[in-house]
Amino acid sequence: EDQVTQSPEALRLQEGESSSLNCSYTVSGLRGLFWYRQDPGKGPEFLFTLYSAGEEKEKERLKATLTKKESFLHITAPKPEDSATYLCAVQGEYGNKLVFGAGTILRVKS
Amino acid sequence: EAQVTQNPRYLITVTGKKLTVTCSQNMNHEYMSWYRQDPGLGLRQIYYSMNVEVTDKGDVPEGYKVSRKEKRNFPLILESPSPNQTSLYFCASSRVGGSYEQYFGPGTRLTVT
Repeated sequence: EDQVTQSPEALRLQEGESSSLNCSYTVSGLRGLFWYRQDPGKGPEFLFTLYSAGEEKEKERLKATLTKKESFLHITAPKPEDSATYLCAVQGEYGNKLVFGAGTILRVKS
Repeated sequence: EAQVTQNPRYLITVTGKKLTVTCSQNMNHEYMSWYRQDPGLGLRQIYYSMNVEVTDKGDVPEGYKVSRKEKRNFPLILESPSPNQTSLYFCASSRVGGSYEQYFGPGTRLTVT
């Protein structure tokens, strides 16, 4: 059974204090690993898709990396507007099903 | 604008009163799915559809029904809601055939008393 575990559950940072969020996964035949951002009361918003170990993608202050067992979302010099819940999900080799982790709640204080 | 819409956004109902939450997408996506989100449990898939008239159970299908009569619409039906179905519900859509990101609707917050 595909599984996703995210850590930490919550993270508080000062503005400008860089850090990383972790997503550990087990999946039979990874077709894609997805990162989403979710603001309170809203639907998840797509950030990145990673397909194979060694791949990296960047968007503004965010950088996602992938190994065979985990993915990291690095946040460089975060700002208060980066505060949100970050969700990781994997898609296995069969169908379009996504399996989500419980998410990491990020709070960035100015 | 490419989007997934859901209605209603908020719903308070009583146990046993049938309800339908609508979902519509304008991206011509074949795949549509319903999730529920509960604190500490993340997003869990209820039902999904690979195309018109093709639906299948996700991880938590008990107490829910779906139909896919048109490509753009994928309603979620609760025939006899119970308090344990109080949750935040999301509809999502995507293309099929590869590994494509799913686009999510704004969510429907359902309370069953």
